[in-house]
Amino acid sequence: NAGVMQNPRHLVRRRGQEARLRCSPMKGHSHVYWYRQLPEEGLKFMVYLQKENIIDESGMPKERFSAEFPKEGPSILRIQQVVRGDSAAYFCASSGQDSNQPQHFGDGTRLSIL
Amino acid sequence: GQQLNQSPQSMFIQEGEDVSMNCTSSSIFNTWLWYKQDPGEGPVLLIALYKAGELTSNGRLTAQFGITRKDSFLNISASIPSDVGIYFCAGTTSGTYKYIFGTGTRLKVLA
Repeated sequence: NAGVMQNPRHLVRRRGQEARLRCSPMKGHSHVYWYRQLPEEGLKFMVYLQKENIIDESGMPKERFSAEFPKEGPSILRIQQVVRGDSAAYFCASSGQDSNQPQHFGDGTRLSIL
Repeated sequence: GQQLNQSPQSMFIQEGEDVSMNCTSSSIFNTWLWYKQDPGEGPVLLIALYKAGELTSNGRLTAQFGITRKDSFLNISASIPSDVGIYFCAGTTSGTYKYIFGTGTRLKVLA
């Protein structure tokens, strides 16, 4: 998974706190995707961003969740007022500019809510 | 949201055996990807397929893009213990970056 960097690898929050997950895409990639994975389940699409734009957020809950990919710096997935059900592994992927280019994943952030 | 159906969901095999798994969709795709995920890590890209009927190998792994464009197959020859993990397929339709992921095949290799 060299190239796509996610941090932190593990994050523990208490109910009601905010969680911020960061993702730096592979060098040269301008498309970022966030996925959520529960134990023993597959990847569920959340949001797709290009620099400074949200392209598709159809998989992201309407409340408490937001994502950004600023002109400078990493992409951020923010979860406000976390609840126990937010506990999961959150993966970021990036791809290049040509249509259908494969997505390369980071090692994820494992979020635990106490 | 839509998901691809992967089969089998899980399998136990003996070391040295060949493995076959497949992925089917109700939609036509123009790109298929196969990933492997180890515990505690992110999915790693194994093989990418771009044309119907395409057969591509990566070491002991071989994947095929089904001619109907609604399915794909992954074969692992002479399995070894490090092949253990979850294998995901992913597909996308023309002109979109949004990949749909399969439900995964969990492979366990018995030494």
